[in-house]
Amino acid sequence: NAGVMQNPRHLVRRRGQEARLRCSPMKGHSHVYWYRQLPEEGLKFMVYLQKENIIDESGMPKERFSAEFPKEGPSILRIQQVVRGDSAAYFCASSPLGLANEKLFFGSGTQLSVL
Amino acid sequence: KNEVEQSPQNLTAQEGEFITINCSYSVGISALHWLQQHPGGGIVSLFMLSSGKKKHGRLIATINIQEKHSSLHITASHPRDSAVYICAPMGGNQFYFGTGTSLTVIP
Repeated sequence: NAGVMQNPRHLVRRRGQEARLRCSPMKGHSHVYWYRQLPEEGLKFMVYLQKENIIDESGMPKERFSAEFPKEGPSILRIQQVVRGDSAAYFCASSPLGLANEKLFFGSGTQLSVL
Repeated sequence: KNEVEQSPQNLTAQEGEFITINCSYSVGISALHWLQQHPGGGIVSLFMLSSGKKKHGRLIATINIQEKHSSLHITASHPRDSAVYICAPMGGNQFYFGTGTSLTVIP
């Protein structure tokens, strides 16, 4: 049973390009969470999704950022027109039963670097 | 003011020492996770607590919901325990994260 898979592991983009980050949750998990870790800062919640639904996006910047978790395939975090301040590590986590579950499983993260 | 305060921010210990990391939070929560982040970034959830105390191997976590405080203890510390430990209280649909305690255990 593979863990939470994130890809790519490292992503380099120039300012103005689009970044697509993928997260495949553990098998049987239908709850996905995205977090961002800025350099020298702690983790920050971005968005909580279940299959085909956004449950809580209160941590998402209002512009340029979007997330989806389709019925089939991985969850995607999309950043349009990236800026240098978007450079960060983006982590996703999954659980089978939402946050009430005992364990939350994290991916290894995607390190986004904006040149 | 941060919702979550961890102390100490940095900790260096000799192998075998007993280690305590403290976490205080100001938000109302239903539970709290302790996370471990190794160099290279991987994050592992060590515990989820809603009351009392939990033990897993050499790790012990306690929480006092009324006092809004949690502690993570490591007994007989080992160099492989070197990592960043993050307190993550959980309220509603989201976590509030501490900035972490960077632990280095010296052989």
